[in-house]
Amino acid sequence: SQTIHQWPATLVQPVGSPLSLECTVEGTSNPNLYWYRQAAGRGLQLLFYSVGIGQISSEVPQNLSASRPQDRQFILSSKKLLLSDSGFYLCAWSPGLAGLQETQYFGPGTRLLVL
Amino acid sequence: SQQGEEDPQALSIQEGENATMNCSYKTSINNLQWYRQNSGRGLVHLILIRSNEREKHSGRLRVTLDTSKKSSSLLITASRAADTASYFCATGFNNDMRFGAGTRLTVKP
Repeated sequence: SQTIHQWPATLVQPVGSPLSLECTVEGTSNPNLYWYRQAAGRGLQLLFYSVGIGQISSEVPQNLSASRPQDRQFILSSKKLLLSDSGFYLCAWSPGLAGLQETQYFGPGTRLLVL
Repeated sequence: SQQGEEDPQALSIQEGENATMNCSYKTSINNLQWYRQNSGRGLVHLILIRSNEREKHSGRLRVTLDTSKKSSSLLITASRAADTASYFCATGFNNDMRFGAGTRLTVKP
């Protein structure tokens, strides 16, 4: 069966510090991978998605970036965090068989607080 | 827009009652999905209904889709305290999928 891992679960970082959130998927090959951000009590904002190694599509211009160094690894980064980067970050995967509108499977999330 | 909008934003019911949540959208869709999110957790997929389907069931869940009204509903029958969560619809179209803002359901024991 497939599993998705995210870490860390919680992170408190000062403004201006760098960020690296990691997501890995097990039990599947060549998945689509996604990074979302969720503000408190709100819906999901798609930040990045990837359909293959080294292929990253950005949905919202901001000071975040994403990379996919391996087939089942997706990393969300920032060189300098802003207060507005606080939120709940969710990684998700989908089988990659039916485009971006297929069922997505989510990780447990990382809660980021920028102070 | 393609993005679904859930209604109501919040719903509070007693255990054993039925809960109905609605999702409306403005453009064509290929499919519509419902997800559940427990507080502080990731989303869990519940049901996917395609644009040529009108109704689907899964256990205590019933989803309907009316493409002429551009709306869908999620019915949870005989609710339990464990059903307390946020419920999101997601509309799929043209190789894209967008989530709504969700309905917060509270089931009181």
